Parts: sequence; structure tokens; C-alpha cells
Amino acid sequence: GAGVSQTPSNKVTEKGKYVELRCDPISGHTALYWYRQSLGQGPEFLIYFQGTGAADDSGLPNDRFFAVRPEGSVSTLKIQRTERGDSAVYLCASSVGVDTGELFFGEGSRLTVL
Amino acid sequence: TQLLEQSPQFLSIQEGENLTVYCNSSSVFSSLQWYRQEPGEGPVLLVTVVTGGEVKKLKRLTFQFGDARKDSSLHITAAQPGDTGLYLCAGCSGGYQKVTFGTGTKLQVIP
Repeated sequence: GAGVSQTPSNKVTEKGKYVELRCDPISGHTALYWYRQSLGQGPEFLIYFQGTGAADDSGLPNDRFFAVRPEGSVSTLKIQRTERGDSAVYLCASSVGVDTGELFFGEGSRLTVL
Repeated sequence: TQLLEQSPQFLSIQEGENLTVYCNSSSVFSSLQWYRQEPGEGPVLLVTVVTGGEVKKLKRLTFQFGDARKDSSLHITAAQPGDTGLYLCAGCSGGYQKVTFGTGTKLQVIP
């Protein structure tokens, strides 16, 4: 498809486990964003990539969270030693990357930590 | 930290009524966007406003950017059930296009 693709759509894990969430942006989009959203709330900024580099990772809550984008396309958000408080929908968005353009979002990955 | 506060947080109205949603911040933004999100989906862009004082209309929706570029409003005329959703403002700043979302307004339009 031509949109932003996120996998898995749903992930249930146990406290303390490691989780990876994948985002495949729109082809040609250089900017990629990760957000975290709780029910009924606005998305909370986690990290922003311009190309392969993390231009701003100030939203990552702590060192258990890490994200990569090695080839400037697909990105993976990695969460170590998951906690119940990490439960949320993790949204990925991409944009053309020139000026502040429209963010195109995926449908999100719903993470539940038991 | 740039905070964007939206009000009201929840709004339940009858079909045909008018409503206004507010988005306020103490920070100045280079531009401001409004998104609408439905359950199980990602937010979808409605509009981007760039100039202080700018007003944009999209059918029954009117968006305004404050003169100081710190606040914005969304007015819906004659709301319809299809307008139901979570409305999000998003402030854009920084040379690298950081986009910060507001707290959200959940709108329910009852037929």
C-alpha cells in the first residue's frame, strides 16, 4: 500500500519482556516521527528522524526506549524491560521533510503489558 | 516543554448545533495544524495555518490562528454526526519541524 504501515497492530506482552515495533513510512518521506498515545489523549512526542539520524529524541521517557532507522526508511522502536505503564498505542508518522508539511500516520501498534 | 492545552476536553452536542474548540499555548509556533482522529486510526490532517491572524475555511469548519501565533480555534457550524471524533491541534516549531500535539477534544454529535 501507499500509506504508513505499522506492525504488529496489536502486541500483548508480559512485564519485563523486550518488544520491537516496526514502522514502514511512505516511500520518499525523509522525516519520521514516533508518538505514544493514551486513550482519548493527544499523541505524546517520542522521537523524530530526519533521514537516518535522530534529530530529536527528547521525548523518549527513559533509557529503556530506543529507536533506529538504519537506512533512512523503515524504523524500529525498541522497548526493553517493559512495564505496565508502557501500555499505549504507539503511532508512527512520516512527512516529506521539507518545511512543516502534513504528517501521515499509520494506524498504530497497540501495546499491552500485563 | 511546549504545552498545547485544548478546551473543552469533551463535548457532546445535538446535530445542527455550532461549537468552538480552543487550542492555547505560551509558546510561539511557526505554524499550527489541526487533525481529526477516529477510533483505531491515526490522525488525519484537516488544515495548516501559518500566518498570525490567518483564517481558513473548510466547508463547515473555520480555523483561526492567533495574531501572536500562540493559539488557535476551530469552529464547526451545524455539526453533523460525521463530525464525531477526536480533534487535535499540533504546533510546529524548530528548524527541524518538531510537531507537538495538544491534549485533544473529543467531540460527539448526537443525531
